[in-house]
Amino acid sequence: EDQVTQSPEALRLQEGESSSLNCSYTVSGLRGLFWYRQDPGKGPEFLFTLYSAGEEKEKERLKATLTKKESFLHITAPKPEDSATYLCAVNQAGTALIFGKGTTLSVSS
Amino acid sequence: EAQVTQNPRYLITVTGKKLTVTCSQNMNHEYMSWYRQDPGLGLRQIYYSMNVEVTDKGDVPEGYKVSRKEKRNFPLILESPSPNQTSLYFCASSVPGTGDTEAFFGQGTRLTVV
Repeated sequence: EDQVTQSPEALRLQEGESSSLNCSYTVSGLRGLFWYRQDPGKGPEFLFTLYSAGEEKEKERLKATLTKKESFLHITAPKPEDSATYLCAVNQAGTALIFGKGTTLSVSS
Repeated sequence: EAQVTQNPRYLITVTGKKLTVTCSQNMNHEYMSWYRQDPGLGLRQIYYSMNVEVTDKGDVPEGYKVSRKEKRNFPLILESPSPNQTSLYFCASSVPGTGDTEAFFGQGTRLTVV
């Protein structure tokens, strides 16, 4: 059973069309939830860390939020350069990071 | 420039021929780790190291070895590669105090074992 589930698997948006990516998790003893961005042919790039329900972080057009069961990555007025795969990961006490399979975002102009 | 450097970027090898993928970071990070990324499975940790001479198994360590003799280097060794080790491999080093969470990743090594 997947402990970290991301949806949708793929998302196509028009430039300026805001939307949200979802990351739901079932781990207990959550010690943090993390968002990474991965461009084709490159390693993941760290975006955000969230530690407690209600916490929010922002960076340019991205805003990450956290509840007790899931996290959302909101993308406001996206641009083509926001196209990438967005990875969610959780840190459970005593274990390595557990990654989701990612959401591939395509933004067309 | 802060970076994690992996070599080679691409490698095709035959079953059973020992190989080493090198990883070096220039940020003086203590924590380093290796991941593999497979379609439909996501990123999975192979081994990690909390400091020089301290290494431990991740989620999928079978068939791999690592060493950490210097702080900046963390090579991944496949003693007898098999086709199921065909994958995209990433080395990462992490900001102190964050475990393996706020990590800098290398560019990746695409390994094919035939």
